[in-house]
Amino acid sequence: GENVEQHPSTLSVQEGDSAVIKCTYSDSASNYFPWYKQELGKGPQLIIDIRSNVGEKKDQRIAVTLNKTAKHFSLHITETQPEDSAVYFCAASYGAGTALIFGKGTTLSVSS
Amino acid sequence: GAVVSQHPSWVICKSGTSVKIECRSLDFQATTMFWYRQFPKQSLMLMATSNEGSKATYEQGVEKDKFLINHASLTLSTLTVTSAHPEDSSFYICSARSITAAMNTEAFFGQGTRLTVV
Repeated sequence: GENVEQHPSTLSVQEGDSAVIKCTYSDSASNYFPWYKQELGKGPQLIIDIRSNVGEKKDQRIAVTLNKTAKHFSLHITETQPEDSAVYFCAASYGAGTALIFGKGTTLSVSS
Repeated sequence: GAVVSQHPSWVICKSGTSVKIECRSLDFQATTMFWYRQFPKQSLMLMATSNEGSKATYEQGVEKDKFLINHASLTLSTLTVTSAHPEDSSFYICSARSITAAMNTEAFFGQGTRLTVV
């Protein structure tokens, strides 16, 4: 089955800096790669996603890149703010009827 | 966006009792729902895939007789933790994907249920 590796496990940046979180996946059939932000005691919230027919997607300060050949994808957050502090999870799946398999998560801390 | 409602948000129960958690898709129909379990400071681990009108598919290592899943309609799946023990204490989260959306559609998550067994 699919296995998703996520790095780093913790990331501390200064406000205004950029943050990058990287994930690799094992199943070449996976074709949907979302990123979630989870705050303490709450369910994960989708922040951005990318499908396998696209190499990059951007939404304001957040961008995701996908390298299908290398089977890795990355989350880029620019101009970080303290409210960006949370746990971020990457995930992968194939097909609408299949479950998302999650990476282990990255705790992002943005200090002002 | 679409909404998945999970209830209750937290529950405390005594060892040996059973607890039912509900997961509802409020504004879309979901043929398939997924149940995850999350321990503190860890990732979401898939427990089972809940299929409307058929038996759930459990991940390896998940006891199907302990974690009973029922998906009787296109908008409701339930997870019942039977004969709960303290080690079952965890954060349980459900997810659903719309049957009418295109392939690889967004997965919507409930707000989670914090189960504490005493």
